[in-house]
Amino acid sequence: EVQLLESGGGLVQPGGSLRLSCAASGFTFSRYVINWVRQAPGKGLEWVSGISGGGSTYYADSVKGRFTISRDISKNTVYLQMNNLRAEDAAVYYCAASERTFWYFDLWGRGTLVTVSS
Amino acid sequence: EIVLTQSPGTLSLSPGERATLSCRASQTVSSSSLAWYQRQPGQAPRLLIYGASSRATGIPDRFSGSGSGTDFTLTISRLEPEDFAVYYCQQYGISPLTFGGGTKVEIK
Repeated sequence: EVQLLESGGGLVQPGGSLRLSCAASGFTFSRYVINWVRQAPGKGLEWVSGISGGGSTYYADSVKGRFTISRDISKNTVYLQMNNLRAEDAAVYYCAASERTFWYFDLWGRGTLVTVSS
Repeated sequence: EIVLTQSPGTLSLSPGERATLSCRASQTVSSSSLAWYQRQPGQAPRLLIYGASSRATGIPDRFSGSGSGTDFTLTISRLEPEDFAVYYCQQYGISPLTFGGGTKVEIK
């Protein structure tokens, strides 16, 4: 089955760190751009970061310098390391695959919830 | 960045009725680079339409997209029970990628 499965969400204090994982199955992982898209409570969807098949990385201005996207091709998994978390980073984080950078998303995961609170 | 405004916020309709959802952009979306997604509670969002009017693989033909420039529409010709969900538009013509705030289609 073609799917993306996120994990790693949870409760973290402001200033803390969390690492999200996105495991891909059923398709050739390295041929796609894997992205993170988030939705804060009561707000719209926001593209956060992406990593291309060639390994190039891209970030929204709101997370640049705090978040790092990476991947392990052998595990078909993409990671989002989130440091110095703020209250406004609290959201459901979705993993989403696209055929190109800055494109539409063909496949999404169900999301993982990140709560930032003291 | 391009701001996408979806209307209405909520659409209350009965099964079998026609749904018309609007997505308006703050500036021209180049090459009709607009997509629509459906999200049902607890499920992953699903791509419905890309390129403003092309249906994604496996999407029923009751879903259609139209529009260009700054005004785009998603039409569901006859609502099925599984179509009651939240719908989002997204533009990918100009970085950064942006999404609309969503339209909830609920059962009347």
